[in-house]
Amino acid sequence: QVQLQESGPGLVKPSQTLSLTCTVSGGSISSGSYYWSWIRQPAGKGLEWIGRIHTSGSTNYNPSLKSRVTISVDTSKNQFSLKMSSVTAADTAVYYCARGITVAGTNWFDPWGQGTLVTVSS
Amino acid sequence: QLVLTQSPSASASLGASVKLTCTLSSGHSSYAIAWHQQQPEKGPRYLMKLNSDGRHSKGDGIPDRYSGSSSGAERYLTISSLQSEDEADYYCQTWGAGIWVFGGGTKLTVL
Repeated sequence: QVQLQESGPGLVKPSQTLSLTCTVSGGSISSGSYYWSWIRQPAGKGLEWIGRIHTSGSTNYNPSLKSRVTISVDTSKNQFSLKMSSVTAADTAVYYCARGITVAGTNWFDPWGQGTLVTVSS
Repeated sequence: QLVLTQSPSASASLGASVKLTCTLSSGHSSYAIAWHQQQPEKGPRYLMKLNSDGRHSKGDGIPDRYSGSSSGAERYLTISSLQSEDEADYYCQTWGAGIWVFGGGTKLTVL
């Protein structure tokens, strides 16, 4: 079955750009109609959706983060990526990638990656 | 504004049943949601999608002990025959107005 794995630097300096990659295994990122998404979770807090890229290449972002976020896909590597600019300590969180599914008006994430901790600190 | 509201915590005894609630904001009572489980120190896992009429469809490998139901703007997750591994955070999630939305999560303690 499809599995997702996040990778990237665990430490980023304030004001710099956070870059993460999600590698999809067990299936092609180009097949089907899915929304490849990024979600984050600060320590001890709930989940926050960051944004998504559709199989077609179209993107949607959380309005609260839209000005700083770019999500892209590399179908040749079966990966999609997150870039978040001008990070601050408030961006310290565990970052998850997930596959978003939409069927008959119902939307859900399945599966999820195991998550990667990104700390913003000098 | 689309908001999902969950109680921060719940508890129940080993072997008992518990019903967790996710409430949709006014004007969104017809929305379907999904439930996810996050065990300690792990990533979330999809449990089921749940329609406004109570029809639900579970993810692969989700035990029969997990079920969903709906009433008006409320969406429920019922876990029966509670086991220690059910102790986790439970999040509801939906989509609307161009964004995916999560509830604040309910921390379930199995006594």
